Amino acid sequence: GQQLNQSPQSMFIQEGEDVSMNCTSSSIFNTWLWYKQDPGEGPVLLIALYKAGELTSNGRLTAQFGITRKDSFLNISASIPSDVGIYFCAGSGGTSYGKLTFGQGTILTVHP
Amino acid sequence: NAGVTQTPKFRILKIGQSMTLQCTQDMNHNYMYWYRQDPGMGLKLIYYSVGAGITDKGEVPNGYNVSRSTTEDFPLRLELAAPSQTSVYFCASKPNPGGRSSYEQYFGPGTRLTVT
Repeated sequence: GQQLNQSPQSMFIQEGEDVSMNCTSSSIFNTWLWYKQDPGEGPVLLIALYKAGELTSNGRLTAQFGITRKDSFLNISASIPSDVGIYFCAGSGGTSYGKLTFGQGTILTVHP
Repeated sequence: NAGVTQTPKFRILKIGQSMTLQCTQDMNHNYMYWYRQDPGMGLKLIYYSVGAGITDKGEVPNGYNVSRSTTEDFPLRLELAAPSQTSVYFCASKPNPGGRSSYEQYFGPGTRLTVT
């Protein structure tokens, strides 16, 4: 089945630093999604990507759909303490029931 | 707008007990999903439904059952709880197919279940 490898597994950064994380897939995806999960809460959708090469921003967050359709990247600029949480990538190959395959998550810690 | 709601938020079960995790969405989505999240892992799909009366198994369905009698509700049933079912359970829904956003799933706040 499809597998997603998300890296890094965790990051410890200082407030104000930029952050980069990525996901790679063993197969092609038609859609990439990035979610953030705050402690004790459910995942919240940050950015959705639908086309190879697409670059989309949401405030300080920027995500890209890799041109091979097997990877995606998320960047956070000028991190702040409320960026703390777990970031998940998810991909869809276009199944009829909208199945998403999730990465293992990147745990982000921001030191003030 | 409530979105996806789940109850209870926390629950402790003894081995062999049963319980139902409730999930309701008010977005008129036909598609609904149940996931479990274990520490350090991504979300694993348990069951999904593409509309009232239609359900199917996901990746890890053993030990669970679902039903879908209405568009709004998608309860998850554990019949004989086992320690391996200790996890955080998330319900999600997504828009019906056809639009650009039709793969975007929206999640509830989760139910944290411990089986001892």
